[in-house]
Amino acid sequence: SQTIHQWPATLVQPVGSPLSLECTVEGTSNPNLYWYRQAAGRGLQLLFYSVGIGQISSEVPQNLSASRPQDRQFILSSKKLLLSDSGFYLCAWSSGTSGYNEQFFGPGTRLTVL
Amino acid sequence: AQKITQTQPGMFVQEKEAVTLDCTYDTSDPSYGLFWYKQPSSGEMIFLIYQGSYDQQNATEGRYSLNFQKARKSANLVISASQLGDSAMYFCALTAGGTSYGKLTFGQGTILTVHP
Repeated sequence: SQTIHQWPATLVQPVGSPLSLECTVEGTSNPNLYWYRQAAGRGLQLLFYSVGIGQISSEVPQNLSASRPQDRQFILSSKKLLLSDSGFYLCAWSSGTSGYNEQFFGPGTRLTVL
Repeated sequence: AQKITQTQPGMFVQEKEAVTLDCTYDTSDPSYGLFWYKQPSSGEMIFLIYQGSYDQQNATEGRYSLNFQKARKSANLVISASQLGDSAMYFCALTAGGTSYGKLTFGQGTILTVHP
């Protein structure tokens, strides 16, 4: 069966510090991968998606970046965090290219920027 | 551009009763899919049910059913026989277009509270 992992689970970082969040998927090949951010009490906002190694599409211009160094690994990064980067970050995967397959989400990372 | 609107910030229901969570959507693409997810206080997102724009029948999954009214662009989630464990945030989401690669647009969510 497929599983998706995210770490760390929680993170407290000072403004201006770097960020690296990791997501890995097991039990599937060539998944579509997604990074979402959720502000407190709000819906999810798509940040990045990837359909293959090295292929990253950005949905929202900001100081975050994403990379996919391996088929089942997706990394969210920042060189300098802002207060507004605080939130709940969720990684998700789906199979196929039709776009009509459900996405499966990881447990998320709660990021607080102070 | 796609848009999802969930107009009910919070809903209350008595245990064992049915509840309907509203969702309206907007897309110019004739081919699209609608999803409902449940988010408990732990934060995980749990897939509940899917409806395709060309599906002839309303989707059902156990106690969950989707009241899909295409002309009105609504896709309401119906939960029958509510349980205490149904208390959570519920999100409606839309994906549209054959090359969208599954990108989802989420609504703002509805917090459901089930009373004993």
